[in-house]
Amino acid sequence: NAGVTQTPKFQVLKTGQSMTLQCAQDMNHNSMYWYRQDPGMGLRLIYYSASEGTTDKGEVPNGYNVSRLNKREFSLRLESAAPSQTSVYFCASSSGTIIHTDTQYFGPGTRLTVL
Amino acid sequence: GENVEQHPSTLSVQEGDSAVIKCTYSDSASNYFPWYKQELGKGPQLIIDIRSNVGEKKDQRIAVTLNKTAKHFSLHITETQPEDSAVYFCAASRQGSQGNLIFGKGTKLSVKP
Repeated sequence: NAGVTQTPKFQVLKTGQSMTLQCAQDMNHNSMYWYRQDPGMGLRLIYYSASEGTTDKGEVPNGYNVSRLNKREFSLRLESAAPSQTSVYFCASSSGTIIHTDTQYFGPGTRLTVL
Repeated sequence: GENVEQHPSTLSVQEGDSAVIKCTYSDSASNYFPWYKQELGKGPQLIIDIRSNVGEKKDQRIAVTLNKTAKHFSLHITETQPEDSAVYFCAASRQGSQGNLIFGKGTKLSVKP
């Protein structure tokens, strides 16, 4: 039982390049999330998916797109990376669909640098 | 908008002492308050949580207290050990369309042997 896994662990991009961050969970959870973590800013929600087939914007969605590929996988795409998107990205999942009271389990993170 | 304030931002204690981290929240509808521990290079891990129908919850050396009237909740770690050194985040649930949890900015706890 690996929990929440993320790939890649590290990535360096040039401004304007695109990339997709992958996330998978093996806990049969319904809800999945993408956060970014910046120094002194805590965790901020980018997008979430309360169930397979649905996605919703979080606090900071601009510049990102997501896909809930199936129940296990939730990907985050940067179409045209900008230096402001330099951050550590965390994927998380929770069991239910009432997302605001569920325990969330986090992956190990992807450290992204945009030059 | 809703926010969660967390204090202090850094905390240094001697091994064996207690550590207290405090958070205040603004959304009176918040009813779920988790605490996460993040070690260097890793993702946050839930260490304890509390829901609005209880005022205190304890798990071995860790306890959380909640005062809904004052809109604040606190994490208490007793008999601290060097392995407690990490960044701790509080969070409060948020209703509505922008997602589920609002996080504090974190407290870096250092436990000196």
